[in-house]
Amino acid sequence: QQPVQSPQAVILREGEDAVINCSSSKALYSVHWYRQKHGEAPVFLMILLKGGEQKGHEKISASFNEKKQQSSLYLTASQLSYSGTYFCGTEIRSNFGNEKLTFGTGTRLTIIP
Amino acid sequence: DAGVIQSPRHEVTEMGQEVTLRCKPISGHNSLFWYRQTMMRGLELLIYFNNNVPIDDSGMPEDRFSAKMPNASFSTLKIQPSEPRDSAVYFCASSLGGRLGYTFGSGTRLTVV
Repeated sequence: QQPVQSPQAVILREGEDAVINCSSSKALYSVHWYRQKHGEAPVFLMILLKGGEQKGHEKISASFNEKKQQSSLYLTASQLSYSGTYFCGTEIRSNFGNEKLTFGTGTRLTIIP
Repeated sequence: DAGVIQSPRHEVTEMGQEVTLRCKPISGHNSLFWYRQTMMRGLELLIYFNNNVPIDDSGMPEDRFSAKMPNASFSTLKIQPSEPRDSAVYFCASSLGGRLGYTFGSGTRLTVV
């Protein structure tokens, strides 16, 4: 089932912070985060495995609460380059032990000067 | 590395025609995924391969869709016959697993008229 992201859209002024949430109804093996700019392909930001908190690049980090099947992406001191649509991808290990990502509904982030 | 290469970038075809989309994954990646993106449904997983073997094709919408991966460096997604509701951006992605995430190709924008 598709994970649910919130908010659906957010508008920030440059320098402000934002949090994007992702929740699933199923037990998760991992959570991925991607950013997609208009007309381009999604680009991998980071992956979190079972309770790990990982610092990504720039000022973007994320957390994963495996008990609640939730992940949050934190954007600090946002820059104009952060604009785009953010997707979480949740992984539930298949019987074959292989990855299978189901992407969330997306959160459109707009940064204004 | 040139990344994941998809062709064509754009395809416009008439309803009923056969459409073939092509993908060259990153050398050494052992998993390949076909996704479809639309405004209504977001990013949907159609099928994925591991070591050239189809693992899960439960996302393939109908028998009109088929996918092959004859070797580690090439995959095709075929739609026959095509219908207007197939219009979407089709992404191919490859992965080495672990913490490296997916690398997406630039996508093929398919328009069926």
